[in-house]
Amino acid sequence: EVQLVESGGGLVQPGGSLRLSCAASGFTFSRYDMHWVRQATGKGLEWISGIGSAGDAYYAGSVKGRFTISRENGKNSLYLQMNSLRAGDTAIYYCARGKEGDSSAFDIWGQGTMVTVSS
Amino acid sequence: SYELTQPRSVSVSPGQSASITCSGDKLGDKYACWYHQKPGQSPVLVIYQDNKRPSGIPERFSGSNSGNTATLTISGTQAMDEADYYCQAWDSRTVVFGGGTKLTVL
Repeated sequence: EVQLVESGGGLVQPGGSLRLSCAASGFTFSRYDMHWVRQATGKGLEWISGIGSAGDAYYAGSVKGRFTISRENGKNSLYLQMNSLRAGDTAIYYCARGKEGDSSAFDIWGQGTMVTVSS
Repeated sequence: SYELTQPRSVSVSPGQSASITCSGDKLGDKYACWYHQKPGQSPVLVIYQDNKRPSGIPERFSGSNSGNTATLTISGTQAMDEADYYCQAWDSRTVVFGGGTKLTVL
C-alpha cells in the first residue's frame, strides 16, 4: 500500500525548533518529488516547501530562511527542519507526493502531524 | 506573488451540476489541479493537468482551464461530494493554492 506517515509534531515555544519526518512506503521514494503543505485550524492549504528527486529544494516566502527540507532516499524519508518558529506556524503539517508525470499535483498525502507554537 | 481566487461557498441540489471557479492571472497558461477535503481528512486529488482524473475518481468530476479561469465541474452531485475544494497551480518554482470553496449539497 502506498503510504506517507508524518511524525515529529508537538508543542514548541516561540523561537524554538522542531524537526518533522515523513516515512514513505509502497513506492520507489527516490523517483518522486516530495512536498510539505500545512493547514491552520479552520483555514486553507498552504504549500511551504518541495524537494525534487535530485535534491533541489524550493520554499514559500513565508518560511524561506527558517525552514529546511531534506530527504534521505536510502531511508525512504522526507524531513522538515523548522527553526525560529512563530505562533503563525501553528498548523497541521502534511507531506505529499508529487504525481509521476506531473509533479506539481499531489497524488498521495499523509495524515498530517500537528505543530503548536505557544508559550 | 501569484494568487488564486475561489468563491467562499457554492451550493447545489443533489443530482444537479456544481461548478467551482478558480481565477488567476493567465491561469490558462499553467496546469491547474483540484483537491477535495472532507472534515478531519487529508486532501484528495480529483483533477490534475486541468482535466485529467486520477484512478478511482468518479467520472462525474471534470475540469477545464482557459484564459484566467479554471473550473471544476461535478455532474450529478451527490451528498458525498460535500467538502472543501481547493485549486492549485505551479508558478515560478512555487506551488499556490486557492483559498478554498465549501461545497454544500442541499
